[in-house]
Amino acid sequence: DTEVTQTPKHLVMGMTNKKSLKCEQHMGHRAMYWYKQKAKKPPELMFVYSYEKLSINESVPSRFSPECPNSSLLNLHLHALQPEDSALYLCASSQAGQGSYEQYFGPGTRLTVT
Amino acid sequence: GNSVTQMEGPVTLSEEAFLTINCTYTATGYPSLFWYVQYPGEGLQLLLKATKADDKGSNKGFEATYRKETTSFHLEKGSVQVSDSAVYFCALIEPDRGSTLGRLYFGRGTQLTVWP
Repeated sequence: DTEVTQTPKHLVMGMTNKKSLKCEQHMGHRAMYWYKQKAKKPPELMFVYSYEKLSINESVPSRFSPECPNSSLLNLHLHALQPEDSALYLCASSQAGQGSYEQYFGPGTRLTVT
Repeated sequence: GNSVTQMEGPVTLSEEAFLTINCTYTATGYPSLFWYVQYPGEGLQLLLKATKADDKGSNKGFEATYRKETTSFHLEKGSVQVSDSAVYFCALIEPDRGSTLGRLYFGRGTQLTVWP
């Protein structure tokens, strides 16, 4: 099974709202990722968790707050977003450790900030 | 540093035509190379991969060969179908020195449209 699931599929939120994106994988992967993708662009890395610890934060604004409750789950908490944060948010997972391991992506959450 | 350069799109073909999407890379070490495909409204799917020089990755009729001498990983398919219409991303991973994770570097993506 190479499936990564994400919920919700679509999300519309106002600039004062607080919402969360969820990601789950059952492949036994110990590295999980959040990407942001704007239209007609490649995904941009936001955060990387390795063994449930935050390993990489690509200078993402604090209005995005990641959380990794366990090895299968990854959340992205959203607060006070701006309209320019509207994008497709992709979760991915891979094996961790030394090596060039392929990443498996979820279907994404289409976020619209009004 | 690491980077991936893809041919500019969009690419428009008739069904059963031959497809080539060029991809070249720059890396400081020995990367693994990937092609991902993104269908409209969906996430990225791993299409194929190659982990060392002269490896050929293949899947669903698509092929790509890791050419170290030309630092290339061109995607080919002998006969495209309407259902192949999507955006194709070339990507590389090279383990960071001193890190346990490989960063994924993407090309800009190439939009393929296949007409019946």
